[in-house]
Amino acid sequence: NAGVTQTPKFQVLKTGQSMTLQCAQDMNHEYMSWYRQDPGMGLRLIHYSVGAGITDQGEVPNGYNVSRSTTEDFPLRLLSAAPSQTSVYFCASSRTRGDYSNQPQHFGDGTRLSIL
Amino acid sequence: AQTVTQSQPEMSVQEAETVTLSCTYDTSENNYYLFWYKQPPSRQMILVIRQEAYKQQNATENRFSVNFQKAAKSFSLKISDSQLGDTAMYFCAFMKQGANYGGSQGNLIFGKGTKLSVKP
Repeated sequence: NAGVTQTPKFQVLKTGQSMTLQCAQDMNHEYMSWYRQDPGMGLRLIHYSVGAGITDQGEVPNGYNVSRSTTEDFPLRLLSAAPSQTSVYFCASSRTRGDYSNQPQHFGDGTRLSIL
Repeated sequence: AQTVTQSQPEMSVQEAETVTLSCTYDTSENNYYLFWYKQPPSRQMILVIRQEAYKQQNATENRFSVNFQKAAKSFSLKISDSQLGDTAMYFCAFMKQGANYGGSQGNLIFGKGTKLSVKP
């Protein structure tokens, strides 16, 4: 059981480049989300999804795009990277239905992204 | 909107002693969950303890316990017999209790964190 897998673990981009951060989970979780972590700011929600085909914005969605075509995958896209998007990105997932509703989230190991 | 405040950016404790990390939150919800996550230098986010707001009894997990004061909207974490491996960032987090499907129930609101150093 791999849990939540994020790739890559590290990435350096130039301003204006595009990039997709991958997130996959093998636990059949309905809920998936992306957070960014900046020094002194804690983790802030970027986008989330409650199931395949359903996505919504979190606290800091600008500059990011997501889609959820399968239950397992939830990629995060940066269409035109900016230095302000330098951060550590975490993907998380959880069950939300039936007896497993309101369960704590499982986090991936994070992606450190630097934009020059 | 919910907010979570951790007023101690950094703390230190001697090995084997007890330390308490503070967390306060603001919400108009009556049903919710509170969590403490640990983030060691490896960057992993590790769930330490969870508290359901409808439960009056404070949650306990081995050396970790909480003091949950619902009326005061306070949720502190006590670490007993501190160990070197407890050195980490600790985040307090809030989650609304929602319906079984849909909505924003899974979204976590995090505090800014407390950096805990355990000294030998």
